[in-house]
Amino acid sequence: EAQLVQSGGGLVKPGGSLRLSCEASGFSFSDHSMNWVRQAPGKGLEWVSSISSSSSYISYADSVKGRFTVSRDNAKNSLYLQLNSVRAEDTAVYFCAGLWLEDIDYWGHGTLVTVSA
Amino acid sequence: ETVLTQSPGTLSLSPGERATLFCRASQSVSSSYLAWYQQKPGQAPRLVIYGASSRASGIPDRFSGGGSGTDFTLTISRLEPEDFAVYYCLQYGSALYTFGQGTKLEIK
Repeated sequence: EAQLVQSGGGLVKPGGSLRLSCEASGFSFSDHSMNWVRQAPGKGLEWVSSISSSSSYISYADSVKGRFTVSRDNAKNSLYLQLNSVRAEDTAVYFCAGLWLEDIDYWGHGTLVTVSA
Repeated sequence: ETVLTQSPGTLSLSPGERATLFCRASQSVSSSYLAWYQQKPGQAPRLVIYGASSRASGIPDRFSGGGSGTDFTLTISRLEPEDFAVYYCLQYGSALYTFGQGTKLEIK
């Protein structure tokens, strides 16, 4: 059974940093692009970042460009999101997800990031 | 950036009724890159439709998707109690993804 297990959320002060992790199992992680999606409390879904299977292509939403960095380690079947210079508006549940627009799609369970002094 | 606008914001219906949800794009979207997701409280979204009209694995045939260009629909032919949730459309284009703001399907 395919799984995406997330870790690394928590409370961070404005201007601080945090690293989110997402470990994949049960499918060929290294063959697939991966994404981060977030959802502020009581709000809708917002795409954050995308990384291709070989890390050759990376893209970000304008709202996080220059502050967040996505990366992956295919040897460890892991996806990462480094959050720097965080703001109150970055408070959200962060999901790692496939978004492959195909028959199969996987999502992590989500991890809450709270930005507060 | 392609903006997706979903309507209505909230749809109140009873079990057994037909639901039609709309997703309008600010510019043409390839049907191959249009999907619908269902999200229930406290859960991760679940893929319902991909390629604008193909049902994802395990999705019952009462769900159907349609449309092309800038206008897409998600139809649930006969609502079951488990179908009441928030639905989002998603598009991919120019290396960016965008979600619609969501339609809440609630029990009347």
